[in-house]
Amino acid sequence: DIQMTQSPASLSASLEEIVTITCQASQDIGNWLAWYQQKPGKSPQLLIYGATSLADGVPSRFSGSRSGTQYSLKISRLQVEDPGIYYCLQGYSAPYTFGAGTKLELK
Amino acid sequence: EVQLVESGGGLVQPGRSLKLSCLASGFTFSNYGMNWIRQAPGKGLEWVASISSSSSYIYYADTVKGRFTISRDNAKNTLYLQMTSLRSEDTALYYCARSVVARFDYWGQGVMVTVSS
Repeated sequence: DIQMTQSPASLSASLEEIVTITCQASQDIGNWLAWYQQKPGKSPQLLIYGATSLADGVPSRFSGSRSGTQYSLKISRLQVEDPGIYYCLQGYSAPYTFGAGTKLELK
Repeated sequence: EVQLVESGGGLVQPGRSLKLSCLASGFTFSNYGMNWIRQAPGKGLEWVASISSSSSYIYYADTVKGRFTISRDNAKNTLYLQMTSLRSEDTALYYCARSVVARFDYWGQGVMVTVSS
């Protein structure tokens, strides 16, 4: 099974700050990586798919990148509506696996 | 507008069974793979099972294999999850989600399953 190691587990940042979350895949998954945001009491929302493609309606301050088997989600200028829990997902092969999540809070 | 509405959750005793449903609307259900994903209280996301558009391909997480069965009725636009031999560790919010090329693009609001005596 493919393991997704996500870091950090939690993060506190100020408004307008740049935030980066990473996921390390245990093997090559190509660009089959998605990022999700989950707010309390809500379903996860797709942010990024194909490692770098922005999902419909997602603000352009969110971006995704890949370096080998390491994937990153970047929020270029943190906004008040961005706190939540962020998850990566490998969709390369079943069993599909999520990262453990990153809890992002406003400082 | 894509909508996925789960139902069938509740409180069930260990060892008993429960069947979840997910009614889909706003898209051509028979063209898409579908999935169940769960989230235990205060925990992260765990993929549970996937089924292809024509039910030709079905996959399960090891944690539910042999106990859960995913199925679909394309005529009724409905996805199912039959859960048997339920355990306390199956307690979670169960989401159904649509598949599009290596991602889950739309999710329902989830249905709670509590396994307790």
